[in-house]
Amino acid sequence: LAKTTQPISMDSYEGQEVNITCSHNNIATNDYITWYQQFPSQGPRFIIQGYKTKVTNEVASLFIPADRKSSTLSLPRVSLSDTAVYYCLVGENNFNKFYFGSGTKLNVKP
Amino acid sequence: DSGVTQTPKHLITATGQRVTLRCSPRSGDLSVYWYQQSLDQGLQFLIQYYNGEERAKGNILERFSAQQFPDLHSELNLSSLELGDSALYFCASSVGTLQDEQFFGPGTRLTVL
Repeated sequence: LAKTTQPISMDSYEGQEVNITCSHNNIATNDYITWYQQFPSQGPRFIIQGYKTKVTNEVASLFIPADRKSSTLSLPRVSLSDTAVYYCLVGENNFNKFYFGSGTKLNVKP
Repeated sequence: DSGVTQTPKHLITATGQRVTLRCSPRSGDLSVYWYQQSLDQGLQFLIQYYNGEERAKGNILERFSAQQFPDLHSELNLSSLELGDSALYFCASSVGTLQDEQFFGPGTRLTVL
């Protein structure tokens, strides 16, 4: 049973804002939502984490609606170096398991 | 550099063999996680150890086992290897709790021929 659902791929152009949405209908009360970035043949790298409403750091924003059944990662003004796979992760505290989504392959074009 | 080290970087072996992958977490991190990533696939969580004890278990095969030693380094043992076990194996570490930011190592690429 898939824990999270993301679009398989997205295309964008340099300078645009990119929004990637992750669906997590069965999120538990204690779960946080975390996003990771992965370049080919490298380990994933933490981008941002949130529990509710909005979180912003120096590289991204994370929007979480009140029902927490989805979340949206927002990347402002992407560049070619943002071409990567983006994973949404929701921890399942009750069963001590992690679920990485299938990942969204973002392709930024010049 | 995440501070997490993994050895070896590459490993080529034959079906039926057994291999051991090693991971050293960041200084101060108590949790170690193992993930498998097959070609063009997402990350599959295998297992987590916290301060020497198994804390969480994912889709880990019975042919695979892991342990975390008193110095907090961890080893993932893969036995009776099959062609389908060829993948990138990542180790990650975090301070402790499930929701903590995980720092990933560079991975070990296993090729089973």
